[in-house]
Amino acid sequence: DQQVKQNSPSLSVQEGRISILNCDYTNSMFDYFLWYKKYPAEGPTFLISISSIKDKNEDGRFTVFLNKSAKHLSLHIVPSQPGDSAVYFCAASDSGYALNFGKGTSLLVTP
Amino acid sequence: DTAVSQTPKYLVTQMGNDKSIKCEQNLGHDTMYWYKQDSKKFLKIMFSYNNKELIINETVPNRFSPKSPDKAHLNLHINSLELGDSAVYFCASSHQGGDRGYTFGSGTRLTVV
Repeated sequence: DQQVKQNSPSLSVQEGRISILNCDYTNSMFDYFLWYKKYPAEGPTFLISISSIKDKNEDGRFTVFLNKSAKHLSLHIVPSQPGDSAVYFCAASDSGYALNFGKGTSLLVTP
Repeated sequence: DTAVSQTPKYLVTQMGNDKSIKCEQNLGHDTMYWYKQDSKKFLKIMFSYNNKELIINETVPNRFSPKSPDKAHLNLHINSLELGDSAVYFCASSHQGGDRGYTFGSGTRLTVV
């Protein structure tokens, strides 16, 4: 029973354009959402997060939007850079210790 | 001075063997985790320890046994390895209430042949 879903396994974007990565969740008890970035042969690294009391959080080129009624969040990267090419994992928590992860979206930013 | 370090990085072993993966963190975190990333790239929690106490034990075969000698270390011992245990195992740590984000190790790729 996968509670966090990333339905796009891959995304290709041109350098300088916007990358939009989407994530849906099913558990209405989730109250904290995070995005992780993963390069090959490395562990995931924390990118940005958002609490359920907010609908937007921004950090430099990265913005996360949360739509609680739709149980949907998205990560926007503007402008996209080739170094952003990685796998992006969406994760969610219900104030417990465990993070529930999606399967990831592989982003390729082409020059 | 890696924050969360796992050893070994790669492990190839035969079915039926017993193996251990070690994890150490130097961040002063009090909670540590083991996650498994299977062939479908799905990251799923296996165990969580807070101050050496087991707090999460997901549906994992009892061939898998975590051991936390102190709050900076969380090792994973696997008995009677099976082909289906082949995966990448990630250790992670966080402050109490890990929903505020983990720091992950670089992973151990286990291949059972």
